[in-house]
Amino acid sequence: NAGVTQTPKFQVLKTGQSMTLQCAQDMNHEYMSWYRQDPGMGLRLIHYSVGAGITDQGEVPNGYNVSRSTTEDFPLRLLSAAPSQTSVYFCASNPGGGRTQYFGPGTRLLVL
Amino acid sequence: AQKITQTQPGMFVQEKEAVTLDCTYDTSDQSYGLFWYKQPSSGEMIFLIYQGSYDEQNATEGRYSLNFQKARKSANLVISASQLGDSAMYFCAMGSGSARQLTFGSGTQLTVLP
Repeated sequence: NAGVTQTPKFQVLKTGQSMTLQCAQDMNHEYMSWYRQDPGMGLRLIHYSVGAGITDQGEVPNGYNVSRSTTEDFPLRLLSAAPSQTSVYFCASNPGGGRTQYFGPGTRLLVL
Repeated sequence: AQKITQTQPGMFVQEKEAVTLDCTYDTSDQSYGLFWYKQPSSGEMIFLIYQGSYDEQNATEGRYSLNFQKARKSANLVISASQLGDSAMYFCAMGSGSARQLTFGSGTQLTVLP
């Protein structure tokens, strides 16, 4: 199993550009989430999904869209990048039961 | 709303000694879980240990144990016999809701001294 994979590892954007951060898991987990980590801080929840076709907002959803068309994939879209979205983005999945969360390696995003 | 508080921004410990990292939480949920993660300088999030709110015994995983005091709403991480490789940022987090969405504390930077 590859676990949770994220692409790209690093990205530089200009203000106003759009892009999609990819997240995939091969563990058949129902639950997936996106977090962002700003320097010196803990992770904050952006969006999450409890299954294919079902998504909901977390603590900091503004400026981001998600969709979940398959169990495996949970892409995060930045519609119009802003410097405030410079951060490290982590995708996570869990199988339910709540006893662990598997994190991807992260995507480092710089918005100029 | 859930809240996690880690009051120790930085901690130092001598190699081979034990260290306790503090974590307090606030929630109105009856069912929740408490997690500790390690984040080395390379940036990945490494799961260490989990404690469920209904678990009667404190969780242990190798050198890690969780001192869970429900009435005090605290979930401290104890690392026994510290190693140089334990130097990292440590995050306490609480999971609740259907997807066990996590709320994180601000972290404690642990440095193990030789």
